[in-house]
Amino acid sequence: AQSVTQPDIHITVSEGASLELRCNYSYGATPYLFWYVQSPGQGLQLLLKYFSGDTLVQGIKGFEAEFKRSQSSFNLRKPSVHWSDAAEYFCAVGANVFGNEKLTFGTGTRLTIIP
Amino acid sequence: EPEVTQTPSHQVTQMGQEVILRCVPISNHLYFYWYRQILGQKVEFLVSFYNNEISEKSEIFDDQFSVERPDGSNFTLKIRSTKLEDSAMYFCASRDRDRREKLFFGSGTQLSVL
Repeated sequence: AQSVTQPDIHITVSEGASLELRCNYSYGATPYLFWYVQSPGQGLQLLLKYFSGDTLVQGIKGFEAEFKRSQSSFNLRKPSVHWSDAAEYFCAVGANVFGNEKLTFGTGTRLTIIP
Repeated sequence: EPEVTQTPSHQVTQMGQEVILRCVPISNHLYFYWYRQILGQKVEFLVSFYNNEISEKSEIFDDQFSVERPDGSNFTLKIRSTKLEDSAMYFCASRDRDRREKLFFGSGTQLSVL
């Protein structure tokens, strides 16, 4: 069965600083990987995804993530965070037969931005 | 950008009561989903629905749960006899036929069972 681990429950960074959120997955075949963001009172918004090809993927809002098969990781990065980036971030893995028919989510990382 | 709409945003019910959570998916979407998130836990898949039938469901989705698309716009999740452990945020999601990689999620309904 597929699973996702986000080891950091809560991260605090200063505005303008760089950010890396960790995600490790377990899946028997080539995974479909996603990062979602949830702002307070909002739904889950897709930041970026990896299906195949270039292992460095670009997303919205200046985010990127790198798929590393050898480490079973898909870490999310941003070179300079903005106060509006404060939110909950979820990594997810999808079965690769039908894409994201069924997503398995991590427990999330709450990001706090300090001035 | 189009949105998935969920109502109500917060619902309180007594244990043993029936609840119906409502969702209006994006109009041209064909695949519909329910996920839930118990406070402090992971977002979990409940069920997927296509062509007026369930295509996949999780172990959580037992006989107490049902889904329905009663008309051309709504997609509902019914819990027949709520339990305390059903308290959670329930998310509806939809996608179109071609863009399998992009699920659109609603903002959720917070269900509190007392």
